Amino acid sequence: QKEVEQNSGPLSVPEGAIASLNCTYSDRGSQSFFWYRQYSGKSPELIMSIYSNGDKEDGRFTAQLNKASQYVSLLIRDSQPSDSATYLCAVKWNYGQNFVFGPGTRLSVLP
Amino acid sequence: DAGVTQSPTHLIKTRGQQVTLRCSPKSGHDTVSWYQQALGQGPQFIFQYYEEEERQRGNFPDRFSGHQFPNYSSELNVNALLLGDSALYLCASSYLRDRGGEQYFGPGTRLTVT
Repeated sequence: QKEVEQNSGPLSVPEGAIASLNCTYSDRGSQSFFWYRQYSGKSPELIMSIYSNGDKEDGRFTAQLNKASQYVSLLIRDSQPSDSATYLCAVKWNYGQNFVFGPGTRLSVLP
Repeated sequence: DAGVTQSPTHLIKTRGQQVTLRCSPKSGHDTVSWYQQALGQGPQFIFQYYEEEERQRGNFPDRFSGHQFPNYSSELNVNALLLGDSALYLCASSYLRDRGGEQYFGPGTRLTVT
């Protein structure tokens, strides 16, 4: 059974701080990892993908992957109130094309 | 560059009825996946279509069926609707031979079953 786990939150951080979102997954045969942002009432929006161990940076976002620990994280630097949303972690395994999503972490950035 | 589109935006149906949802993938994409998202949960995979065939299926009953057309657009059909089918239905498109397999979502169809 492939599972993806996230802390449901809410995670509250002050404006300008670093928000750290974490995700663990159950199966080592994983291939690709994705972070989606979902505003209330809207559909998920892809913000980061990562395939290799280490860090990947894109603007204020940094994704970190550790396959040995089965752990992927998303850091948001200089958090803004507009970053307030639910962040979904998704994992794509080597066998198959579908994604398995975690339940999402609700982030609230306080002005 | 047109993104993923879905129709309708909202739909209200009665228990026992049937519904058809539609999706057009992003330009250049050939694969369509359907997800169901209940309130407060992550999207759950229903099935995926490529080359007009169902390639993979999640843990959903046979009441959920689909189709992909030669232009890569897709339909999701749900028969004998239950109250528990009320959810946001998301379509995601991708390019099968893309190593990363990134999927891009449409705006979704909000289905309410009364």
